[in-house]
Amino acid sequence: DAGVTQSPTHLIKTRGQHVTLRCSPISGHKSVSWYQQVLGQGPQFIFQYYEKEERGRGNFPDRFSARQFPNYSSELNVNALLLGDSALYLCASSLEGGAQTQYFGPGTRLLVL
Amino acid sequence: GDSVTQMEGPVTLSEEACLTINCTYTATGYPSLFWYVQYPGEGLQLLLKATKADDKGSNKGFEATYRKETTSFHLEKGSVQVSDSAVYFCALSGIPSNTGKLIFGQGTTLQVKP
Repeated sequence: DAGVTQSPTHLIKTRGQHVTLRCSPISGHKSVSWYQQVLGQGPQFIFQYYEKEERGRGNFPDRFSARQFPNYSSELNVNALLLGDSALYLCASSLEGGAQTQYFGPGTRLLVL
Repeated sequence: GDSVTQMEGPVTLSEEACLTINCTYTATGYPSLFWYVQYPGEGLQLLLKATKADDKGSNKGFEATYRKETTSFHLEKGSVQVSDSAVYFCALSGIPSNTGKLIFGQGTTLQVKP
């Protein structure tokens, strides 16, 4: 079975621009979570969505938003990009929301210049 | 708030040496505990997990035991291989658990030399 897939794999943007990252969960999984991993650090939780509803939100500004579609795929949007948004963005899926075991995709590496 | 602390790396070992990576946590309630591994240029892979006190998670020769009394979840392997070289992350499920939030440590880099 296919694992979690993310697109694009790499992305270069300039400050002030907007970016959309995409994630498809493992087949049968209904929940998607997003994390930001800055180089040399552990991932930081951004959002979890389950059945198209936001279940949890981390300590990120309102420039970060997300949504989940009826097929359980998800988009993460970041507006007004800052240099500090440069990171690896990881998507994880789980069968259901909450404390279920999360399985991670390969990530999208975003560079903001 | 909830947090995870891992031993600082890098940890450098020779092949077939014993490995211990320390992980301690601070949490309200009884979180689930996880070890994830990240190979260069890749996402995170679940290595093992434990959901309650005294549970032992194990996978691919790695083990970790959920110790509530010492709030620890140390990762161990009896004989490491070069292919085990990676960054290892300890994590816990945040409270309230229905938010889906995982809280990660800063990661420990393991280098295994032939």
